Amino acid sequence: QQQVKQSPQSLIVQKGGISIINCAYENTAFDYFPWYQQFPGKGPALLIAIRPDVSEKKEGRFTISFNKSAKQFSLHIMDSQPGDSATYFCAASMTMNYGGSQGNLIFGKGTKLSVKP
Amino acid sequence: SQTIHQWPATLVQPVGSPLSLECTVEGTSNPNLYWYRQAAGRGLQLLFYSVGIGQISSEVPQNLSASRPQDWQFILSSKKLLLSDSGFYLCAWRQGAEFKGSEQYFGPGTRLTVT
Repeated sequence: QQQVKQSPQSLIVQKGGISIINCAYENTAFDYFPWYQQFPGKGPALLIAIRPDVSEKKEGRFTISFNKSAKQFSLHIMDSQPGDSATYFCAASMTMNYGGSQGNLIFGKGTKLSVKP
Repeated sequence: SQTIHQWPATLVQPVGSPLSLECTVEGTSNPNLYWYRQAAGRGLQLLFYSVGIGQISSEVPQNLSASRPQDWQFILSSKKLLLSDSGFYLCAWRQGAEFKGSEQYFGPGTRLTVT
């Protein structure tokens, strides 16, 4: 019930296309859903995050879509660029249990995105 | 603004040698601190987390230990390294419980190779 399942494991997209990465969770107590971007040899960087009170959040070319009833959320990268090539991780946590282990972020296994020029 | 540092950036150590990796956070007080390990091409495995000085919780039994001697300092240690300890070690921080902050930020990482 603590798992976050992420798909696909890898994704190849042409420059200018839309990249879509999906995540699913089981625990309905999760109330914070961030996405991280990681370039090779670097630490993951917080990209965008959403809470269940909204169905969509957009920041530039990056959009999170959230479906509470389906317990799914996804990252959409519009007009994908070669510079977007990286590994993307979704995550979830329960802020009500902050400070306990249940409040820690649960990460998906990651998606390696390659954007071809 | 807050910054997180890790050192060393890279480390090559023989099997059986000791290990000490350091993480420091500036610009915030009483943060939650985390140690993760990432094997090559793999996901993020949470090793330890700390909600305050001297308070360490272990997520996975292993050859490693952690300590938090100062509010801003988190140390990952081993007495005798194993080949399986090789990986990319990441430190992260979140605002303390009184702020109920959700955002978690990672450091630049330490690449450890055990030979």
